[in-house]
Amino acid sequence: AAGVIQSPRHLIKEKRETATLKCYPIPRHDTVYWYQQGPGQDPQFLISFYEKMQSDKGSIPDRFSAQQFSDYHSELNMSSLELGDSALYFCASSLPGAGDEQYFGPGTRLTVT
Amino acid sequence: ELKVEQNPLFLSMQEGKNYTIYCNYSTTSDRLYWYRQDPGKSLESLFVLLSNGAVKQEGRLMASLDTKARLSTLHITAAVHDLSATYFCAALDWGNQFYFGTGTSLTVIP
Repeated sequence: AAGVIQSPRHLIKEKRETATLKCYPIPRHDTVYWYQQGPGQDPQFLISFYEKMQSDKGSIPDRFSAQQFSDYHSELNMSSLELGDSALYFCASSLPGAGDEQYFGPGTRLTVT
Repeated sequence: ELKVEQNPLFLSMQEGKNYTIYCNYSTTSDRLYWYRQDPGKSLESLFVLLSNGAVKQEGRLMASLDTKARLSTLHITAAVHDLSATYFCAALDWGNQFYFGTGTSLTVIP
């Protein structure tokens, strides 16, 4: 079965650079969520989209922005990167009405040097 | 904000033993999820609990939900080494936002 696809899987950036992470949800899933997981931490919710509109916002820094496109894929844009942004970034998708169960992608490991 | 707490944070157990991981949450939530995460990997969905009294079992793992006590448990029966991983519970608030617990790092010792 198709799963959530994230790209790139690994990304190394320098401080103050920008990064774009991409997420392709499971077909027919119209809701996308972004999470940040620091080393040894639990996943922290950043932002979510439903039908291409932002539906909820968590602890996303102002330096980050995200959007969902017409094909339901989503991109997380990160600017002025800081060392503390180094983390695993997960995207998850869900199909509303199915218990809101979220299916997680493999994650993008971002390292800021 | 919904707060989710798990205990223990670290659990080392011998193969063949039983143990329970507890997940408490602070405000009303009717939906509770359990995930497994191996080091450096993604989160794998284990159980979705959608109502008070829900009980689900898969292999050596069994999860239950008591919405009145705001408590979910993940019971491990006759642990095997393959179960070593970090286990997260997550609760959904009324705004449909997920809040994860702190995670329980389980090590099963042969």
